[in-house]
Amino acid sequence: AQSVAQPEDQVNVAEGNPLTVKCTYSVSGNPYLFWYVQYPNRGLQFLLKYITGDNLVKGSYGFEAEFNKSQTSFHLKKPSALVSDSALYFCAVRDIEGGATNKLIFGTGTLLAVQP
Amino acid sequence: SQTIHQWPATLVQPVGSPLSLECTVEGTSNPNLYWYRQAAGRGLQLLFYSVGIGQISSEVPQNLSASRPQDRQFILSSKKLLLSDSGFYLCAWNPDRGGYEQYFGPGTRLTVT
Repeated sequence: AQSVAQPEDQVNVAEGNPLTVKCTYSVSGNPYLFWYVQYPNRGLQFLLKYITGDNLVKGSYGFEAEFNKSQTSFHLKKPSALVSDSALYFCAVRDIEGGATNKLIFGTGTLLAVQP
Repeated sequence: SQTIHQWPATLVQPVGSPLSLECTVEGTSNPNLYWYRQAAGRGLQLLFYSVGIGQISSEVPQNLSASRPQDRQFILSSKKLLLSDSGFYLCAWNPDRGGYEQYFGPGTRLTVT
């Protein structure tokens, strides 16, 4: 069965320090992977995706993610955290079995708290 | 550019009352459309998706229904709301060709009392 796991419910980091939000996946075939951010009472905002090509993907707001096929991971990273990065982050993988429906399978979310 | 709208933004409804939430997308044609519910501010549950007018697929059996009367309009309905229908409802769209990511609307906060 296809799945996405975000092993940390919450990540705490000091402003200015690097941050990592972890994501692992399980799919048959090549994964299409995504990261989203959600601020309180708002919809999800698309940050970045990996479809193919370079394993390091750059996205919005200075975020990047590294695809690691051997570890089936797609961790979200940022070199220097801002207080304004505090939000809920979701990892997702395209449901390959869904075909042209382009359904996504989401992780349970990781709350990022950046302390000033 | 493409834009997705949802309304209302917030809604408080008594148990047993009907529900209609609307989602519209601008600037694209023949999008895939999705309804999600987010309970307790965390996990997303896919409720319905649609790949075309009148084509609705339900992911989970429940008290809700969906319709797509026009290409860029997606409606979530209920005849009689339950307390358990409370939550944050999100609509999303995706191009039907390429661009596998979904783009989300601002959401509707529904409280059933």
